Amino acid sequence: AQSVAQPEDQVNVAEGNPLTVKCTYSVSGNPYLFWYVQYPNRGLQFLLKYITGDNLVKGSYGFEAEFNKSQTSFHLKKPSALVSDSALYFCAVRDLQAGTALIFGKGTTLSVSS
Amino acid sequence: ETGVTQTPRHLVMGMTNKKSLKCEQHLGHNAMYWYKQSAKKPLELMFVYNFKEQTENNSVPSRFSPECPNSSHLFLHLHTLQPEDSALYLCASSRVAGTDQETQYFGPGTRLLVL
Repeated sequence: AQSVAQPEDQVNVAEGNPLTVKCTYSVSGNPYLFWYVQYPNRGLQFLLKYITGDNLVKGSYGFEAEFNKSQTSFHLKKPSALVSDSALYFCAVRDLQAGTALIFGKGTTLSVSS
Repeated sequence: ETGVTQTPRHLVMGMTNKKSLKCEQHLGHNAMYWYKQSAKKPLELMFVYNFKEQTENNSVPSRFSPECPNSSHLFLHLHTLQPEDSALYLCASSRVAGTDQETQYFGPGTRLLVL
């Protein structure tokens, strides 16, 4: 069975500091991994995805994520946080070979203070 | 941001009412999805349509009835809902479901309150 875990309900960082939002996954085959962001009263916005290739994926708004197969992780990172990055972040995984749907984590609230 | 639109944005209904949620995508996609987002719970996939055919029904109660008349439009018909059905209902679309082209793009959601 496939699953995705976001171990932190909330992450707090100061503006200008680096941020990391953690995600671990479990799939039987090769994972397709996604990060989405949700601002208040809005739908989810696609940030980035890993399908294959380079383990470091760059996405929108200066975010990047590193695929680590041995640790089954796909942590979201940004070198310098902005107050406007404060939002709810979702990691999602799909095991295409298993023919299963995209599964979302429960989300992590990122709060960036000025 | 305007690639996937949803109406209404907010809806309050009684348990005996019948209402419909509408989703429209302007991205030329062939797959559309309904999700339920409840507080402090992961996003729950409800239905998937691929080329107008329903390919997934995630054990959703029959009081929720989807309709996909074409690849651009998706409806969710609501009938005799329960208070626990109150949630944000999100629509999404992607080029094709079940492939590596399945980056999903979401609408803003309909905030539903069942009294």
